[in-house]
Amino acid sequence: RKEVEQDPGPFNVPEGATVAFNCTYSNSASQSFFWYRQDCRKEPKLLMSVYSSGNEDGRFTAQLNRASQYISLLIRDSKLSDSATYLCVVNKRSGNEKLTFGTGTRLTIIP
Amino acid sequence: DADVTQTPRNRITKTGKRIMLECSQTKGHDRMYWYRQDPGLGLRLIYYSFDVKDINKGEISDGYSVSRQAQAKFSLSLESAIPNQTALYFCATSDSHWQYFGPGTRLTVT
Repeated sequence: RKEVEQDPGPFNVPEGATVAFNCTYSNSASQSFFWYRQDCRKEPKLLMSVYSSGNEDGRFTAQLNRASQYISLLIRDSKLSDSATYLCVVNKRSGNEKLTFGTGTRLTIIP
Repeated sequence: DADVTQTPRNRITKTGKRIMLECSQTKGHDRMYWYRQDPGLGLRLIYYSFDVKDINKGEISDGYSVSRQAQAKFSLSLESAIPNQTALYFCATSDSHWQYFGPGTRLTVT
């Protein structure tokens, strides 16, 4: 079993719709969680950290479920510019010394 | 100017050649990392360094070596390149919270 698993997609979603991705992780000792965004052939960029209480940043909401070992990302009112691959990232420690990356979920927003 | 730069951005080399990929950062971070990305496999850690005198192997260090010349510079070497080292290579730096990636080097070994 992979340490971090994501549905690769692609998710093809009309502009303005709401879309959600889940990601599961296998190590229950994992302590910190992130979503990164990666545009085609570009570097990953941090989208948001994921906190136990859940957190929101504009149209983006991240949730963590430790009991079921998954994190989620919800995008509301999707924009064309949201088209990208979303990487789920997990760290066993509280800092970010060694991250484990999922393979990513590809999202395409359709006009 | 970009905070994390990588050179070269693209490189085609032949099997058996030695090649060095370079990474520089202006963020003042002590921690630096080298990853490779392959389709369907995600990013995998090759080496990481927490300061100039600290070098650690990641999950796929075989066939690679690194040098931390200064706080701002971290180089990755392929001593004798082989075709399955064809990949997209990323350098990253981190503070205590997040990692910041360079633009990547696309390496092709023929």
